[in-house]
Amino acid sequence: SQKIEQNSEALNIQEGKTATLTCNYTNYSPAYLQWYRQDPGRGPVFLLLIRENEKEKRKERLKVTFDTTLKQSLFHITASQPADSATYLCALVTDSNYQLIWGAGTKLIIKP
Amino acid sequence: GAGVSQTPSNKVTEKGKYVELRCDPISGHTALYWYRQSLGQGPEFLIYFQGTGAADDSGLPNDRFFAVRPEGSVSTLKIQRTERGDSAVYLCASSSAGTSGGYNEQFFGPGTRLTVL
Repeated sequence: SQKIEQNSEALNIQEGKTATLTCNYTNYSPAYLQWYRQDPGRGPVFLLLIRENEKEKRKERLKVTFDTTLKQSLFHITASQPADSATYLCALVTDSNYQLIWGAGTKLIIKP
Repeated sequence: GAGVSQTPSNKVTEKGKYVELRCDPISGHTALYWYRQSLGQGPEFLIYFQGTGAADDSGLPNDRFFAVRPEGSVSTLKIQRTERGDSAVYLCASSSAGTSGGYNEQFFGPGTRLTVL
């Protein structure tokens, strides 16, 4: 069966450290993989997109890696801040180019 | 504002009633999407519009759910004979349509929290 898995347990990180979140998938061949941030009571906000032929993408303190052999993406936040506390969701885009298939998200808590 | 807006922000209804949820996309965005998100889960795709037509309604769970976008802008998600299991946050997103294929970023509204008692 097709699955997208993110760690359901909250991740607690000390301010200033690097937070790393994992997204694993099975039985998909995504054209793109994306990461979103979602705050309570808000819709998801797009952060980064990485294509199937890209290994790594960076944006300011954010870095995403994509390993299509392992079927895994890692999402890193360096120099983490309490304001980074939120739920982070990964989503796959298949060949349809529009339909997002989502993980359940991981709640990240950055402690001051 | 320039973002996607959804109304109402909260809707409480009784089992068996009819509800309408409204989405105002970003001006000029031709693509519009509806998702449903249950607590602790990621959004679940419901329907995708390109212009006025439903290009993909494969995510609608059953025939109690219906969505329209008559003028290619505002969309309404309609749920008939609501059931307690319909309780969730209903999210709307819009994107521009690329002409050369490839993915276009989806911008989400804040959602409508539907509670069916």
